[in-house]
Amino acid sequence: DIQMTQSPSSLSASVGDRVTITCRASQSISIYLNWYQQKPGKAPNLLIHAASSLQSGVPSRFSGSGSGTDFTLTISSLQPEDFATYYCQQSYDTPPWTFGQGTRVEIK
Amino acid sequence: QVQLVQSGAEVKKPGASVKVSCKASGYTFTSYYIHWVRQAPGQGLEWMGILNPTGGSTDYAQKFQGRVTMTRDTSTSTVYMALSSLRSEDTAVYFCARGVAAGVHNLDYWGQGTLVTVSS
Repeated sequence: DIQMTQSPSSLSASVGDRVTITCRASQSISIYLNWYQQKPGKAPNLLIHAASSLQSGVPSRFSGSGSGTDFTLTISSLQPEDFATYYCQQSYDTPPWTFGQGTRVEIK
Repeated sequence: QVQLVQSGAEVKKPGASVKVSCKASGYTFTSYYIHWVRQAPGQGLEWMGILNPTGGSTDYAQKFQGRVTMTRDTSTSTVYMALSSLRSEDTAVYFCARGVAAGVHNLDYWGQGTLVTVSS
């Protein structure tokens, strides 16, 4: 199975900060990488698909980049509603389509 | 609008089985896969498996092989996930999610989650 490793596991940031989260795959997955946001007690919400395509309705301050094994989720200017946990997920070739362990974004 | 509505919380004893339902509406049921993902308390997301509503074919994560069964009822646009031989480690919130198959697979709509508690 393909392993996904996110870093950092958690971070503290202030409103207005630029935030970057990294996801690394254990083998090349081309652009088969999605990002989700999850708030406490809620289902995850798709932010980015195919590494860099913004899901409809998601604010443009979210962006994704990367291909192969290294990927990045960037929040250009952190807003109060962005404090949440973020997960990457690979969907390369055949299942299982594994998730990273998550990155918790907290208020500084 | 697209909706996935799951059945309510369950409490089960170790060794028992549970069956969670996920009713889809607002789109053509057979045009999208359904995935199941679980989340233990305070933990991350764990992908369990996928069902193709068109023919009912499934693919399960190896960890759950032999214990999980995913089925569907096209007449009611409902997908079911059954997990047997429950143990305390299966205590989690179980989510169904719609899978987009065109291009890069992704999960674009999710159910509200069903808490399954396994306790003696």
